[in-house]
Amino acid sequence: NAGVMQNPRHLVRRRGQEARLRCSPMKGHSHVYWYRQLPEEGLKFMVYLQKENIIDESGMPKERFSAEFPKEGPSILRIQQVVRGDSAAYFCASSPTRGLAGASYEQYFGPGTRLTVT
Amino acid sequence: TQLLEQSPQFLSIQEGENLTVYCNSSSVFSSLQWYRQEPGEGPVLLVTVVTGGEVKKLKRLTFQFGDARKDSSLHITAAQPGDTGLYLCAGAPLIQGAQKLVFGQGTRLTINP
Repeated sequence: NAGVMQNPRHLVRRRGQEARLRCSPMKGHSHVYWYRQLPEEGLKFMVYLQKENIIDESGMPKERFSAEFPKEGPSILRIQQVVRGDSAAYFCASSPTRGLAGASYEQYFGPGTRLTVT
Repeated sequence: TQLLEQSPQFLSIQEGENLTVYCNSSSVFSSLQWYRQEPGEGPVLLVTVVTGGEVKKLKRLTFQFGDARKDSSLHITAAQPGDTGLYLCAGAPLIQGAQKLVFGQGTRLTINP
């Protein structure tokens, strides 16, 4: 069973360019989460999505950041006009559904995309 | 805002010693997870605790969830160099519909041979 897949693993962008980060959840998982980890800090929640729906985007910066999880294909985290402060590791996690209660407590993480803005 | 405080942030001990890492909050969580993260990789789930007072064992690792579901501990017996890594606790807030995890800042553990 393949785990959560993320690509690219490393991404270098110049200031002002766009960054697109992809995440394929584990097979059978319909809940996707994005987290950001700055150097020497813990992971911070950004957004929670189900297929074609953004459920909770309370951790997303108001500008330049967007996320989607289309009916077909991977989830995409898009950062427009990147700045140096966007340099970080971005992790995607997925979880299965636990019946009527919604998503499982347990989230399984991908290997991350390390974004460097020069 | 729900926060999780981990302590200690850094711990360096000799092989064979025992250690405990703490994860504390003033808020109640519906569940708490412990992860281990290696450099350049994503966090790997070690255990989930859900019930107040719950204790789970994973070989030499013992995880406990506080009775009030506000805190947790990770105890390692007879630590080995292979236990070296970053240990993260993460809680699921007790808010209806909330699915995000709140992470502690991590404990960087070094076991010296």
